[in-house]
Amino acid sequence: GAGVSQSPSNKVTEKGKDVELRCDPISGHTALYWYRQSLGQGLEFLIYFQGNSAPDKSGLPSDRFSAERTGGSVSTLTIQRTQQEDSAVYLCASSPRGLAGVYYNEQFFGPGTRLTVL
Amino acid sequence: AQRVTQPEKLLSVFKGAPVELKCNYSYSGSPELFWYVQYSRQRLQLLLRHISRESIKGFTADLNKGETSFHLKKPFAQEEDSAMYYCALAKAQKLVFGQGTRLTINP
Repeated sequence: GAGVSQSPSNKVTEKGKDVELRCDPISGHTALYWYRQSLGQGLEFLIYFQGNSAPDKSGLPSDRFSAERTGGSVSTLTIQRTQQEDSAVYLCASSPRGLAGVYYNEQFFGPGTRLTVL
Repeated sequence: AQRVTQPEKLLSVFKGAPVELKCNYSYSGSPELFWYVQYSRQRLQLLLRHISRESIKGFTADLNKGETSFHLKKPFAQEEDSAMYYCALAKAQKLVFGQGTRLTINP
């Protein structure tokens, strides 16, 4: 079946512009995650959705970052007034449920969106 | 604070040699640990998790609570093992990743 998809695959923008990154999770997966992969920073957690609600937004680096999820499916990560330090690969992942009993479900990752802020 | 440390950014070994990728963690509860792998031009994918206690592609990883380590090992490296490897700790509803180790297997 289809895996997690993300669009666009690449985005080049000018400093100060707003960008929207999209994630389509695997059908039926209720948990959705956004991570950021920066050179030298590894993978950082940004936000977690269970259904349409986001119980954990602790990783969003500033109030310029926001995310929403609709219909328990597609999610959009929005970065307002982009800065050069926002340049990174933004990864989305989904899993059947965040927590299954006491063990975690595997997270399935998308291909990522490479964001370059000039 | 929960933290995952992979001390080696780069690791290079010859084909057929043993491989060990180091991972240390700090966590106040009972940890659930994973190794994820990203091959060239492919997505990040799960390699193995400690609760499964299985060998995947010849790799194993044992959780050592005394040393707070979860090192990834393979007795005989193969060229197709060249990839980026991330150790991760499950915390609340998310994964906390280490910085990653780029493994290169030389022919």
